[in-house]
Amino acid sequence: DVKVTQSSRYLVKRTGEKVFLECVQDMDHENMFWYRQDPGLGLRLIYFSYDVKMKEKGDIPEGYSVSREKKERFSLILESASTNQTSMYLCASSAVGVQGTYEQYFGPGTRLTVT
Amino acid sequence: KQEVTQIPAALSVPEGENLVLNCSFTDSAIYNLQWFRQDPGKGLTSLLLIQSSQREQTSGRLNASLDKSSGRSTLYIAASQPGDSATYLCAVAPRRYALNFGKGTSLLVTP
Repeated sequence: DVKVTQSSRYLVKRTGEKVFLECVQDMDHENMFWYRQDPGLGLRLIYFSYDVKMKEKGDIPEGYSVSREKKERFSLILESASTNQTSMYLCASSAVGVQGTYEQYFGPGTRLTVT
Repeated sequence: KQEVTQIPAALSVPEGENLVLNCSFTDSAIYNLQWFRQDPGKGLTSLLLIQSSQREQTSGRLNASLDKSSGRSTLYIAASQPGDSATYLCAVAPRRYALNFGKGTSLLVTP
């Protein structure tokens, strides 16, 4: 089974702090993703990476950056945390499967509160 | 931009009922469609993935259909159980990598 793990289930940070969220997958997937989930807004894509050191912006990249130095690890960085970044953050990974489809597998999520 | 809509937003049914959750999307050019389950405060669990060339997929009591031309998918749950209570999310892949999600249907199955 694919396993996607996230470094923390719950995190509380102060406004202005630099925050690192870590994600690790154990299935050698080439693609990794960071989403945030908010009530009434659903899941929105922040950034994704299709290879080591490669990244692309998603729908809401402002205020975030990412790092992928190794294939299995994808980090989301909040350069200067703000209260509007309080959210549930979900990491996912995928690889090409049958007939070119990409099935995504998700981690358990990190609930971040910025005070 | 691909828009994904799920109806109803919430549903409450007695145990044992068969039920249908609906998903619609605005652009029929998709690679695949995926249904997920999410329990409160948890991550997403993949239930079914339908390739763009397929019409349906089945797993146990779950059956998902896809009609690309009309931009619709349905998730059918047979003989519902209280353990099926969760939020069900539909997502489409408009390009190779990312998914566009609906806002989900919150299902409550009462004993």
